[in-house]
Amino acid sequence: EPEVTQTPSHQVTQMGQEVILRCVPISNHLYFYWYRQILGQKVEFLVSFYNNEISEKSEIFDDQFSVERPDGSNFTLKIRSTKLEDSAMYFCASSDLGLAGLYNEQFFGPGTRLTVL
Amino acid sequence: RKEVEQDPGPFNVPEGATVAFNCTYSNSASQSFFWYRQDCRKEPKLLMSVYSSGNEDGRFTAQLNRASQYISLLIRDSKLSDSATYLCVVKETNAGKSTFGDGTTLTVKP
Repeated sequence: EPEVTQTPSHQVTQMGQEVILRCVPISNHLYFYWYRQILGQKVEFLVSFYNNEISEKSEIFDDQFSVERPDGSNFTLKIRSTKLEDSAMYFCASSDLGLAGLYNEQFFGPGTRLTVL
Repeated sequence: RKEVEQDPGPFNVPEGATVAFNCTYSNSASQSFFWYRQDCRKEPKLLMSVYSSGNEDGRFTAQLNRASQYISLLIRDSKLSDSATYLCVVKETNAGKSTFGDGTTLTVKP
């Protein structure tokens, strides 16, 4: 069964450093997403990406964040200058077109645990 | 008011019990509705979509009431393996964000 993969599984970085989190979505999917989950809290939307551009982004997704689909398979999230409060699990998800433009079920990767020291 | 609000839980039930989770959403423009389950420190996994007519998948039944902006999940004959956090998820458009509820934790005991 196809699945979303993410690397690395755990990233430790110093405050102020740049990190790039990588995702390989399911191959025929068209929509790509990043979410984060701070330990003990709910899953929060960061950004959605379709047709090589950002479709929607949340207030969390400020100028420190960027996304890229550098080739036909990878989808990356870059945090330019990490802060302590960026420590969280970051999930990538992808989905296809869905039914009549609705109900496109998202499939999540296993996540990257980011620890900012 | 939270965009997606779930029963606070936790729910502790014996094996074989029937348990129901409730969820309300505030945005009437929401188009798609889902239940996910999340095991501790793992990714959310899709349990089922929730359609207007209601739908069933084995022991799981989901209902949607658009007028009341209410979604439910019923689990019959609970198994130990059903122990997890259940997440209510609401989506406005295919390309846009999914809004997650805080989750309701279920523990099924022998």
